[in-house]
Amino acid sequence: AQKITQTQPGMFVQEKEAVTLDCTYDTSDQSYGLFWYKQPSSGEMIFLIYQGSYDEQNATEGRYSLNFQKARKSANLVISASQLGDSAMYFCAMREGVGFYNTDKLIFGTGTRLQVFP
Amino acid sequence: NAGVMQNPRHLVRRRGQEARLRCSPMKGHSHVYWYRQLPEEGLKFMVYLQKENIIDESGMPKERFSAEFPKEGPSILRIQQVVRGDSAAYFCASSPKDRGGYTFGSGTRLTVV
Repeated sequence: AQKITQTQPGMFVQEKEAVTLDCTYDTSDQSYGLFWYKQPSSGEMIFLIYQGSYDEQNATEGRYSLNFQKARKSANLVISASQLGDSAMYFCAMREGVGFYNTDKLIFGTGTRLQVFP
Repeated sequence: NAGVMQNPRHLVRRRGQEARLRCSPMKGHSHVYWYRQLPEEGLKFMVYLQKENIIDESGMPKERFSAEFPKEGPSILRIQQVVRGDSAAYFCASSPKDRGGYTFGSGTRLTVV
């Protein structure tokens, strides 16, 4: 069965520093997609970044990058130059089938609460 | 930018009452997903619907919960005879035809008192 594990319940980082949020996954499928979402205190789910299992390069979106290590089944999120507005819950999620435009249910981890301090 | 609209944003129900949560997908999106987020947990899949069809309801509790996505109007998640354990945030996501990516709504926070 698919499973997502986020082992860091909470993380602290100083403004302008980089931070890595860990995510490991378990699946027997060869094709799958990995997502990161941000959930601020207002509650909405904001898509950050996507990585397909066959993508050879790590995904990047502005200050967000995904450190994808397929053999270790890890998909860590790296946030560079942290800002106060980055304080939020961060969820890693996985879906069977590659391609951002494939539609299937997402399996979510339990999340990491990131606090950015001045 | 009319994203996925969920209402109400907050809903309070007494035990035993019915809760109706509404989700209007993005314009042009014909697929709707419902997820539930219990306090301090990640989102868990409940049901996947297309217009007038339930495609996958493997995450729905067997009793008291139902969902529909009629030809006209929003998708409705209905919870009958609510209990305290139903208190959670319920998120809807929509996508265009089955090759589209997700867009989440802002969620409905259900509190059962």
